[in-house]
Amino acid sequence: GAVVSQHPSWVICKSGTSVKIECRSLDFQATTMFWYRQFPKQSLMLMATSNEGSKATYEQGVEKDKFLINHASLTLSTLTVTSAHPEDSSFYICSVAPRRNEQFFGPGTRLTVL
Amino acid sequence: GESVGLHLPTLSVQEGDNSIINCAYSNSASDYFIWYKQESGKGPQFIIDIRSNMDKRQGQRVTVLLNKTVKHLSLQIAATQPGDSAVYFCAEKLQAGTALIFGKGTTLSVSS
Repeated sequence: GAVVSQHPSWVICKSGTSVKIECRSLDFQATTMFWYRQFPKQSLMLMATSNEGSKATYEQGVEKDKFLINHASLTLSTLTVTSAHPEDSSFYICSVAPRRNEQFFGPGTRLTVL
Repeated sequence: GESVGLHLPTLSVQEGDNSIINCAYSNSASDYFIWYKQESGKGPQFIIDIRSNMDKRQGQRVTVLLNKTVKHLSLQIAATQPGDSAVYFCAEKLQAGTALIFGKGTTLSVSS
């Protein structure tokens, strides 16, 4: 399977600040990456599909101006949570799909907004 | 809307027992299903998958069964070990796209 890393693994920030989370595909050139959010004791919810060299596709209810996605290279996608608030505190996970029916996940980033 | 769900939020077993985790799905258009294991504070880890044209697939200590008639998916873990303790999610993929729809998860606790 594909190896995916995320940085940072956890971050604590003040309300109103912006936080950037990186997702790297270490052994696979990913034209598409996915960003998920997971609240405590809940399942993963797809936020957006990140496309290399083009705009991301956001799921219904996800604010594209608040969750900025940049997929500038085949190995890196970034998610920036702008003007973060406590309700944005969550576990953010990215994934890559090397083949049509496969999807491998990163280790996740725990965001806590004070 | 249509979604994947699990019958039980928690399952407790003794070490060495066989575990069965169930999942019901409602979208008949789904053609691919995956079971993931998620340990606390980590991303989901692929366990086993099955295509809709199959009804059973076996891996190492794990078996996935698919019953399309009743839209039911199950994960069987043989000789459950303490290291199997985690949250297990089933996920389905529709024919039209590549996004996964996750179920709610079952927390498996294995006691020695």
